Amino acid sequence: AQSVTQLDSQVPVFEEAPVELRCNYSSSVSVYLFWYVQYPNQGLQLLLKYLSGSTLVKGINGFEAEFNKSQTSFHLRKPSVHISDTAEYFCAVSERYSSASKIIFGSGTRLSIRP
Amino acid sequence: GAVVSQHPSWVICKSGTSVKIECRSLDFQATTMFWYRQFPKQSLMLMATSNEGSKATYEQGVEKDKFLINHASLTLSTLTVTSAHPEDSSFYICSAKQRGPDTQYFGPGTRLTVL
Repeated sequence: AQSVTQLDSQVPVFEEAPVELRCNYSSSVSVYLFWYVQYPNQGLQLLLKYLSGSTLVKGINGFEAEFNKSQTSFHLRKPSVHISDTAEYFCAVSERYSSASKIIFGSGTRLSIRP
Repeated sequence: GAVVSQHPSWVICKSGTSVKIECRSLDFQATTMFWYRQFPKQSLMLMATSNEGSKATYEQGVEKDKFLINHASLTLSTLTVTSAHPEDSSFYICSAKQRGPDTQYFGPGTRLTVL
């Protein structure tokens, strides 16, 4: 079974400052990793995903994440945030070779941007 | 591409009535669809997985007679909340995926309020 831990429930950041949202996962098998963003009263939008290959993954809206297998981490970063980045961010994992394709979500990190 | 819609976006119903929520993949064929429930300020909880033409697989603790799922075609899945009660009030989100490496595309969600 897989699990995802998002260490910070809330992250306040000033506009144009860099941000890192932390995510650690646990799994006995090979996994896919995802970051999703949820704006208020909306569904989830895929920010980026790691399936294989380069461990540095670039996504939409200037976000990137780095897969670190030894530390079982997949932290999300952005060098300069904007007010519009205010949202809930979810890290997620799914088992690579599973036919069930279930995604396990972390508890979420609320990113609030201060002007 | 990869757009998923949900209808309705919000619904208010009386206790004891049944409510049907539709999830459609608009521009791709979804071999698998998922239904999630999200409580305020919490993460998504997977309720069930449905594959086209077969019975849904429910997660532990989810009442299959209460939450009826039908995946009649490769572009449509429905969730029916039967005999709804106030504790069923929640944000219900569906997702859909194509065959192949795991990327789930999420609908915008349906907010259900049971009075």
